Amino acid sequence: DIQMTQSPSTVSASVGDRITITCRANQSISSWLAWYQKKPGKAPKLLIYKTSMLETGVPSRFSGSESGTEFTLTISSLQPDDFATYYCQQYDSYPWTFGQGTKVEIK
Amino acid sequence: QGMLVESGGGVVQAGRSLRLSCAASGFIFSSYGMHWVRQAPGKGLEWVAVVWDDERRKYYIDSVKGRFTISRDKSKNTLDLQMHSLRVDDTAVYYCARADGSYGMDLWGQGTTVTVSS
Repeated sequence: DIQMTQSPSTVSASVGDRITITCRANQSISSWLAWYQKKPGKAPKLLIYKTSMLETGVPSRFSGSESGTEFTLTISSLQPDDFATYYCQQYDSYPWTFGQGTKVEIK
Repeated sequence: QGMLVESGGGVVQAGRSLRLSCAASGFIFSSYGMHWVRQAPGKGLEWVAVVWDDERRKYYIDSVKGRFTISRDKSKNTLDLQMHSLRVDDTAVYYCARADGSYGMDLWGQGTTVTVSS
């Protein structure tokens, strides 16, 4: 199984801050990586697919990139609605696997 | 855009069975792979199973193989997860989600809660 190691587990930040979340795969996943936002009691929301493609309707302050097997989610200017938990997920091969999650909390 | 609505969750004793369902609407159900993803209390997301659009290809995480069966009914636009020999660690909110090959899981249901008691 492909392991996704996500860091940090928690980010404390303020509105307007730029934050970066990293996810590393233990083998090649050929850019088949998605990022989701999860809020308590709500369904996960797809933000980015295929490493850097923005899902329709997702604000442009969200972006994704990769360097080899390391993937990054960046929020350029944190907004109040962005405080949530974020997960990376590989869909290169089954079983699909998620990172452990990063909780973005108010500083 | 579409909608997914899960049902069938509840409280069940360990070792018993439960069947979850997911009703799809607003999109061409037969064109998508359909997935189950769960989240245990206080834990992260865990992918559980998929059935492809051809209804034949199915994949599971190891921890549910031989106990869970995923199926779909294109005539009813429904996705099911039959769960047998339930364990306490199957306790979770179960989400159904659709995905095609390139876009990841872009549509999710609101989830249904399964609680397995000892």
